[in-house]
Amino acid sequence: QQQVKQSPQSLIVQKGGISIINCAYENTAFDYFPWYQQFPGKGPALLIAIRPDVSEKKEGRFTISFNKSAKQFSLHIMDSQPGDSATYFCAATTLPFNKFYFGSGTKLNVKP
Amino acid sequence: GAVVSQHPSRVICKSGTSVKIECRSLDFQATTMFWYRQFPKQSLMLMATSNEGSKATYEQGVEKDKFLINHASLTLSTLTVTSAHPEDSSFYICSARMLGRQGNSPLHFGNGTRLTVT
Repeated sequence: QQQVKQSPQSLIVQKGGISIINCAYENTAFDYFPWYQQFPGKGPALLIAIRPDVSEKKEGRFTISFNKSAKQFSLHIMDSQPGDSATYFCAATTLPFNKFYFGSGTKLNVKP
Repeated sequence: GAVVSQHPSRVICKSGTSVKIECRSLDFQATTMFWYRQFPKQSLMLMATSNEGSKATYEQGVEKDKFLINHASLTLSTLTVTSAHPEDSSFYICSARMLGRQGNSPLHFGNGTRLTVT
């Protein structure tokens, strides 16, 4: 059973546009939701994360929107750049346990 | 920021041999390290969780005798793929969590090891 569902599988955005990636979860006990960025041949790098007590968190061009009642959260990349082209993974975990559940990933291609 | 070093980045070995992959936390102590496997264009699959000084906890379907994990210190965990076969070819990634920051401490990932078994 997939704990975190991510969509879309792939995304093409023009430079300067907004990239939106969505995730949904089932386990209401999850209370930490990070997003990771992965370039080919590299390990994932933490991009931004949110706790369920806030509805939005912004860091530079990256924003997480969180809807606790709908059990959904999304990543918005404003003013998308070709350098943002990568695979993005959402994840969720339950405090104080260690296991992170990852979404299936979204391959983003930002066209110049 | 926290750095996790993984070595080697690429390894090619012959079928039947064993390969050891090292994962080090360079600027922090990690009580817990995780080993993931990633197939092309797929998500990360957790293989096992290793805690310093104790036996690793393996996920269902992962052969503990084939994927030996050792976490001998707070900064080093190793994954040994024993008697490797071509189907073991994959991208293996380790991650670590900082000591004393449970739950809401993010995972820091290594850069992965591309294993090719010929």
